[in-house]
Amino acid sequence: DQQVKQNSPSLSVQEGRISILNCDYTNSMFDYFLWYKKYPAEGPTFLISISSIKDKNEDGRFTVFLNKSAKHLSLHIVPSQPGDSAVYFCAARDRDDKIIFGKGTRLHILP
Amino acid sequence: DAGVIQSPRHEVTEMGQEVTLRCKPISGHDYLFWYRQTMMRGLELLIYFNNNVPIDDSGMPEDRFSAKMPNASFSTLKIQPSEPRDSAVYFCASSPRTGDYAEQFFGPGTRLTVL
Repeated sequence: DQQVKQNSPSLSVQEGRISILNCDYTNSMFDYFLWYKKYPAEGPTFLISISSIKDKNEDGRFTVFLNKSAKHLSLHIVPSQPGDSAVYFCAARDRDDKIIFGKGTRLHILP
Repeated sequence: DAGVIQSPRHEVTEMGQEVTLRCKPISGHDYLFWYRQTMMRGLELLIYFNNNVPIDDSGMPEDRFSAKMPNASFSTLKIQPSEPRDSAVYFCASSPRTGDYAEQFFGPGTRLTVL
């Protein structure tokens, strides 16, 4: 039973346009949400996070939106750049302080 | 700091053999995590330590898997005996704490292939 779901295995976006990656969760007790980015042959690296008491957090080209009533969060990248091509993992922290990861979405930025 | 160091980067072994994966966390980090990544299940937490003490090993799939952290700068994940279904990428990660800034720093991973 997956508590963090990324339903799109892959996404292709034109360079310069907006990339929107989606994530749904089932556990209403999650209190912190994170996005990680992973390049091939490397470990995931932290990208951006949001506390459950907020609905938006912005860091440069990256913005994460949280809709608690829908148990949904999204990562917006604008404008998309070739270096953004990677696998993006959505993650959530439970009350035991464990981080639960989704399966990831592979983002392709097209020239 | 060199970041989280894992060895080996690649391991190919035959079914039934013992496999030992190694991890050196970032100095000063209190938490250490072992993850496994597969296509089917994504990134799964196997076990994590706080100050060298195992806190939660509920993600360890079977008794064939064991993990130790004898000191703050070293941890091992052992599989004995290994099976083909253990083939995956294993990541180690460390974190200064799991408070508000729950960022984990991942190593490059060990790609394990069990024939």
